[in-house]
Amino acid sequence: EAQVTQNPRYLITVTGKKLTVTCSQNMNHEYMSWYRQDPGLGLRQIYYSMNVEATDKGDVPEGYKVSRKEKRNFPLILESPSPNQTSLYFCASSLSAGVYNSPLHFGNGTRLTVT
Amino acid sequence: GIQVEQSPPDLILQEGANSTLRCNFSDSVNNLQWFHQNPWGQLINLFYIPSGTKQNGRLSATTVATERYSLLYISSSQTTDSGVYFCPNTNAGKSTFGDGTTLTVKP
Repeated sequence: EAQVTQNPRYLITVTGKKLTVTCSQNMNHEYMSWYRQDPGLGLRQIYYSMNVEATDKGDVPEGYKVSRKEKRNFPLILESPSPNQTSLYFCASSLSAGVYNSPLHFGNGTRLTVT
Repeated sequence: GIQVEQSPPDLILQEGANSTLRCNFSDSVNNLQWFHQNPWGQLINLFYIPSGTKQNGRLSATTVATERYSLLYISSSQTTDSGVYFCPNTNAGKSTFGDGTTLTVKP
């Protein structure tokens, strides 16, 4: 089944403890992206990747790192999480951001709480 | 950056009523989609519609790319239609979401 898989679904951690949220897609998509969603707001883009070894900042990249060493995986790294990073996180992929007819496919989300 | 304005922000309907949700875009419409975010937080893809009109059961969508707006029509609404609706546009890698329309359908 074609899908975007995020892990974990839920995570509670403490301030300053490094964590990684994984994202994997099995559709051979070139484009992958991370978003955060805060209550009452739409999703805001954190980082995106047009292809392997090509990452770019979105609208809210501060406090996050990403890497794209292989096509299927795009992990989100919080080196020193803070309470203001408590949020619902989504990963998405598409065939290519530069190609017409390239819809986004989303994972089920990761609910992160930083205390 | 690109702005996405969604209206109305909130909508309360009685079951069986029809509704129209709108998205206006400040920049060109490329990879435009409509999503329904269900009460569990999942984003359900409704339509990929950078232009033209599509229909799927009780739902249909129309995008007029030249005028930078898109409409989602929901007919004969059901309680399961409740949730938040988004219309993100992705352009050269940058994805922009509006704040959504929160729909509540009462039985």
